[in-house]
Amino acid sequence: GAGVSQSPRYKVAKRGQDVALRCDPISGHVSLFWYQQALGQGPEFLTYFQNEAQLDKSGLPSDRFFAERPEGSVSTLKIQRTQQEDSAVYLCASSLGEFNEKLFFGSGTQLSVL
Amino acid sequence: GESVGLHLPTLSVQEGDNSIINCAYSNSASDYFIWYKQESGKGPQFIIDIRSNMDKRQGQRVTVLLNKTVKHLSLQIAATQPGDSAVYFCAEKVGGGNKLTFGTGTQLKVEL
Repeated sequence: GAGVSQSPRYKVAKRGQDVALRCDPISGHVSLFWYQQALGQGPEFLTYFQNEAQLDKSGLPSDRFFAERPEGSVSTLKIQRTQQEDSAVYLCASSLGEFNEKLFFGSGTQLSVL
Repeated sequence: GESVGLHLPTLSVQEGDNSIINCAYSNSASDYFIWYKQESGKGPQFIIDIRSNMDKRQGQRVTVLLNKTVKHLSLQIAATQPGDSAVYFCAEKVGGGNKLTFGTGTQLKVEL
């Protein structure tokens, strides 16, 4: 496809379960971002990759959150031992170059932790 | 008129009128600004961007104005249509930085 693709679209987890969220960026895009969006709020930065290198993970809320992009294309955001406060929409975005300005977003994964 | 809904200020306009959505940004070191539109259940969609060396930029039916003196950004939508109904976010990037920081958002409702 031509856009950023995220899967699953919806994820329901029991508290304490581990989850993995996938992002397929636009082909050839160097930069990849993960954002978290709570209901009624703007997206909040989580982490940033340039190719396979994770250059900024300052937004990850705790060490339960882990992201990877091993081949510089597809990325996975993993949340271990999910908590209710992790319930949110997780958005992935990519941009063509290194200067990280115009981001193209996927539709997100809506995570609900029960 | 304007009202505060669930964490979001709301702007209601009549179809065909012009809309103005405002945004106050926080960091005087920001050198790039961007507006996104987000419809329910979708990711943010790019509308228009502007660099800090400009004070106005026009697109198709949209204009962004930047006032660096008071750290204010606005999005003007001409001849607002029902399809413009969405939440609008402004975002800023600090010069030399690597991420966009988003504002709270404004809900635009277009009344027929």
